[in-house]
Amino acid sequence: GAVVSQHPSWVICKSGTSVKIECRSLDFQATTMFWYRQFPKQSLMLMATSNEGSKATYEQGVEKDKFLINHASLTLSTLTVTSAHPEDSSFYICSARDGATPSETQYFGPGTRLLVL
Amino acid sequence: QQQVKQSPQSLIVQKGGISIINCAYENTAFDYFPWYQQFPGKGPALLIAIRPDVSEKKEGRFTISFNKSAKQFSLHIMDSQPGDSATYFCAATYSNYQLIWGAGTKLIIKP
Repeated sequence: GAVVSQHPSWVICKSGTSVKIECRSLDFQATTMFWYRQFPKQSLMLMATSNEGSKATYEQGVEKDKFLINHASLTLSTLTVTSAHPEDSSFYICSARDGATPSETQYFGPGTRLLVL
Repeated sequence: QQQVKQSPQSLIVQKGGISIINCAYENTAFDYFPWYQQFPGKGPALLIAIRPDVSEKKEGRFTISFNKSAKQFSLHIMDSQPGDSATYFCAATYSNYQLIWGAGTKLIIKP
């Protein structure tokens, strides 16, 4: 159980276009989802926390107008990178918390590698 | 206060040996300490986790040792196998569920 999927697994796009990444909890209801960014050989950097039905809370330094997060249902959150530029190229990972339990455990998706040309 | 310091940055262990990765924290409000394993190009996967009311937790070949007074915790991998080669992250969290991550340890098990 506790499976989180991400789609797509990798995406290549041209500079200036927008890219949407989906994160789904497959067998549980995720009241809270998190979006991370990871650069090569580095730790995960939290970008934002989203609770179902409410606006995402962005970490300091993360542009909310550039990285649009929507958590419209208990099983789906989306991250849209708007007007992507080469510096947005990175590995994006989502995680989700099971709202049915008090556990702090976060279950992670497989990640989405974004390359902006 | 919010940092979790992880060491070593990289570690090479012979097959069958014991791999030990250490983490230290400052914030005594942390009450949940997970370890994650990450393979290249994949998301992290929860390996094992501990709360500060116990000093040790074992799951198969993986053991967390927790020293509350020293504010340190460590991951021990017994009988290390080549398949254990990955990057390991310690983390800590408290009531808001945000994970505070260590910098990661790249573990290589030599056959």
